[in-house]
Amino acid sequence: DTEVTQTPKHLVMGMTNKKSLKCEQHMGHRAMYWYKQKAKKPPELMFVYSYEKLSINESVPSRFSPECPNSSLLNLHLHALQPEDSALYLCASSIGETQYFGPGTRLLVL
Amino acid sequence: AQSVTQLGSHVSVSEGALVLLRCNYSSSVPPYLFWYVQYPNQGLQLLLKYTTGATLVKGINGFEAEFKKSETSFHLTKPSAHMSDAAEYFCAVSVGGGKLIFGQGTELSVKP
Repeated sequence: DTEVTQTPKHLVMGMTNKKSLKCEQHMGHRAMYWYKQKAKKPPELMFVYSYEKLSINESVPSRFSPECPNSSLLNLHLHALQPEDSALYLCASSIGETQYFGPGTRLLVL
Repeated sequence: AQSVTQLGSHVSVSEGALVLLRCNYSSSVPPYLFWYVQYPNQGLQLLLKYTTGATLVKGINGFEAEFKKSETSFHLTKPSAHMSDAAEYFCAVSVGGGKLIFGQGTELSVKP
């Protein structure tokens, strides 16, 4: 089983809202990732967690706040987003160098 | 620095024809290479990967890719295209530390 799940599937939020994206995997993978993907572009890495500790932050604005409560869960807290943050947000987990992606959350910021 | 170049942002083939999606990479270390497929409004699905060993790698849905070190290439092929193969395809190289470098993607269209 190589399944990564993400909720919600779709999210619409205003610029003053606070919302959270959730990602879950039960494959025992110890690294988890958040990516942002704009239409017709490859995914852009945002954050990497390794053994529940933040190991990479790709200079992401502070309005995005990741959290890894345990080895199976990864959250992305959103606050005061801008319309240009509208995108598909993908979560992934990895064993070795191989990353497995979830279905994504389609975010629209109004 | 490592990089990935996918030749052709859009490829169109007829159903039943050969699919060839080109990927060239640059890497200062032995590469781990991947092909992912993305259907509309979905996440990325791993098609196949090369880590070490056999240079011809077979993946899901009838796809395969050959690692050619001398040409720094990892082209993706499928002998006979199906309508369901229409999607965006991404080639990627692992640069360690959890980072993947993606190509710009190739959109595959399949004509009936």
